[in-house]
Order: sequence, then structure tokens, then C-alpha cells
Amino acid sequence: KNEVEQSPQNLTAQEGEFITINCSYSVGISALHWLQQHPGGGIVSLFMLSSGKKKHGRLIATINIQEKHSSLHITASHPRDSAVYICAVRSNTGTASKLTFGTGTRLQVTL
Amino acid sequence: GAGVSQSPSNKVTEKGKDVELRCDPISGHTALYWYRQSLGQGLEFLIYFQGNSAPDKSGLPSDRFSAERTGGSVSTLTIQRTQQEDSAVYLCASSRGPLSSYNEQFFGPGTRLTVL
Repeated sequence: KNEVEQSPQNLTAQEGEFITINCSYSVGISALHWLQQHPGGGIVSLFMLSSGKKKHGRLIATINIQEKHSSLHITASHPRDSAVYICAVRSNTGTASKLTFGTGTRLQVTL
Repeated sequence: GAGVSQSPSNKVTEKGKDVELRCDPISGHTALYWYRQSLGQGLEFLIYFQGNSAPDKSGLPSDRFSAERTGGSVSTLTIQRTQQEDSAVYLCASSRGPLSSYNEQFFGPGTRLTVL
């Protein structure tokens, strides 16, 4: 079993739909990261959170430390949101900056 | 300002050859990371440099892999005697300091390595 599991693996939505991507992890963490990888391969860091909720534009990330679970929500989805969304965790032991990654969720938003 | 840059963007090599991949982090960033993304796989941590501290090499898959960071800036990832399973996109990232609420990680565009 991977330390970081994401679901779904693939997701297709119509423009305007509310989207949720889930991430579960099995280790103690100091923080969780959400990343976006564009079709061309470039990776952008979206959120880094260790508790509660963060919002940036149409993106919302939440984390429940007790349940070892995080969700990434996209409101009013748009075709430009099409990308791979990657969850990564920073363990609370060992190297503070070492990330363990999920395999990603491929999102396709259609018109 | 300039982001993280990597060179070459693509590298095709023959099995058994050595390759060097270069990363130029954002100026002033003390932390530098190398990751690997194999086809259909998730990102995999390779090595982490922070300032003058000893690097965390725990992610390097074999002793054919090594990395240096000269002068606290440019880094080179070297793969000796390349194998076909080394084919992947190698990504570099940097951050102002160790990852925290205040230090975001910025990724380079990657080097796509193909070993024939």
C-alpha cells in the first residue's frame, strides 16, 4: 500500500461543475502539499497546509489530521483547470523537506 | 524574475553512457531538490540540498546516481552507466529555505531522459 493514495485516478467534468479530489495518507506528517502539473509538464505548487482549510481563487484545500485525509475542491470548473493534481506529504520524521507523492489525479474539464 | 531552469530539456543517450543534468535554482534559494517522474508513475524524491548541510541522498535509487551542488547554487545530477529503466523526466525544484508555510517550492521544466 502506498503511503499516499489519491482518488479518483481520472476525472472528467463539464465546465461549471464542482470538483473534489481526495488524498489519504498513512504516515504522520508535518504538512501536505497540493501540486498542479499542466499538460506540458510544468508543475506549480498550489497549497501547503498542516491544518484546517486554505482558499485561493476557485481552489479550496482542506485537511483532517485525525483522519489523515485531505481534499482539493475546484468550484465553477473551467477547461483551463485540466491538469494532473498531485498530493504530497512531508513526514514529521526524517528530513523535514522530503516529500512523498501520490500518483496524481488526471482532471479533464470539457465545454 | 527568472524561475528554476534545467538543461538540457531533452537528452537521448545509449545504454551504458554517463549523463549529466543541470539545474539552476532561483537566485537566493538555499534549498534544492531533485525528483524523478517515470512514465505513468508518480514523482519520486531523489536528493535534497539545504545550504551547507550534508545533502539527504536517501532517495537515490542506486550508486550510479550522484549529485553535486557547487557554491550553493547550480546543481548537477549525474547518472553513470545509464540503464533503460533510468528513462524518465528529471525535475529540479528550489525554495528559499526548508519547506514551511513561508517557503514555497518552485519547479523547473524538467529534463526528459531517454535511454535507448
